[in-house]
Amino acid sequence: AQSVTQLGSHVSVSEGALVLLRCNYSSSVPPYLFWYVQYPNQGLQLLLKYTSAATLVKGINGFEAEFKKSETSFHLTKPSAHMSDAAEYFCAVSLIQGAQKLVFGQGTRLTINP
Amino acid sequence: EPEVTQTPSHQVTQMGQEVILRCVPISNHLYFYWYRQILGQKVEFLVSFYNNEISEKSEIFDDQFSVERPDGSNFTLKIRSTKLEDSAMYFCASVGGATDTQYFGPGTRLTVL
Repeated sequence: AQSVTQLGSHVSVSEGALVLLRCNYSSSVPPYLFWYVQYPNQGLQLLLKYTSAATLVKGINGFEAEFKKSETSFHLTKPSAHMSDAAEYFCAVSLIQGAQKLVFGQGTRLTINP
Repeated sequence: EPEVTQTPSHQVTQMGQEVILRCVPISNHLYFYWYRQILGQKVEFLVSFYNNEISEKSEIFDDQFSVERPDGSNFTLKIRSTKLEDSAMYFCASVGGATDTQYFGPGTRLTVL
């Protein structure tokens, strides 16, 4: 069965600092991996996805993530945090892109300090 | 840009009452999902629906839950007799094809008193 672990339920960074949100997955077969963002009182918006093409995936709003099979990781990064990045971030895994359910991690709440 | 819509945005009900949560998936999408998120917890899969039938359901999706696509545009989640623990945000999602991305609606916050 697939599972996702997000290390750190809360991450706080200063505006302009590097953002690093950690995600490790467990899957018996090569996974499809996703990062979603949830702004307050809103739904889930796709940031980026890994679908077995390039291991470094670029997403919206300057975010990117790198798939590392040896470490079973898919950490999310952004070089310079902006106040508008404050949100909840969810890592998710599925066996088949699109057609199958997503299994989500616990989520990481990102706070940006001025 | 096409989007998934959900109504109502917030539903308050008494324990034991039936509720129906409504979703309008993106037009021409083929796969439909319900997820829920209890406050402070992770998003959990409830059920997937394809070709007018349930394709997968979780342990949470017991006999109190049902889904329907009554008219080719709406996708509904019914909870027959709500419990306090059903209080959560319910998200609908849809997918166009097997290689597409799941698009989520804004959610319905269900409060059971």
